[in-house]
Amino acid sequence: ETGVTQTPRHLVMGMTNKKSLKCEQHLGHNAMYWYKQSAKKPLELMFVYNFKEQTENNSVPSRFSPECPNSSHLFLHLHTLQPEDSALYLCASSQEIAGARNTGELFFGEGSRLTVL
Amino acid sequence: GIQVEQSPPDLILQEGANSTLRCNFSDSVNNLQWFHQNPWGQLINLFYIPSGTKQNGRLSATTVATERYSLLYISSSQTTDSGVYFCAVERRDGNKLVFGAGTILRVKS
Repeated sequence: ETGVTQTPRHLVMGMTNKKSLKCEQHLGHNAMYWYKQSAKKPLELMFVYNFKEQTENNSVPSRFSPECPNSSHLFLHLHTLQPEDSALYLCASSQEIAGARNTGELFFGEGSRLTVL
Repeated sequence: GIQVEQSPPDLILQEGANSTLRCNFSDSVNNLQWFHQNPWGQLINLFYIPSGTKQNGRLSATTVATERYSLLYISSSQTTDSGVYFCAVERRDGNKLVFGAGTILRVKS
């Protein structure tokens, strides 16, 4: 138990569906992240929210839409995905110091394994 | 961008053996973290170690920032150590962790 919870753990969707991934952290952290892990590729950072503000959008297609309503919750809204978007989507959180450039120690959720048919 | 290389890519150990995993990086960093991903996908942070040496039970890590590498030592390995070990680094002027491709470890009983 890392203090970061992701739901659902598994998701199968068609290319025309709309679904959302949810992440909740119970660590009191002020930054949250979405990472994508595809087979045989390193983890790729998708989005970063510091103090609820999006500070990083790593050239992610618009069919992925993040939402961070507060510092404990993070969503990833999915629509019109492609089969190549099938992957493990990992949420993480950290405690950031305002103005610091470092990324703090990352705590990951168990991931949401997405299959796009 | 910064390059992160981990070696070996794969490793098979007999239970009880020791091992050393290496992480080389191409630029100066102010942040380095080691993670273990278990077979079910859960990533656990092992060490936050931009420099120096740390130990946690059977695991220890050393980062020599001036020579741009870090080592993760696993002693008396157990089957539960199996999984993928990732190194992630962050440049001094950057604010994004970059992950290596990982080392796949399998410990056999």
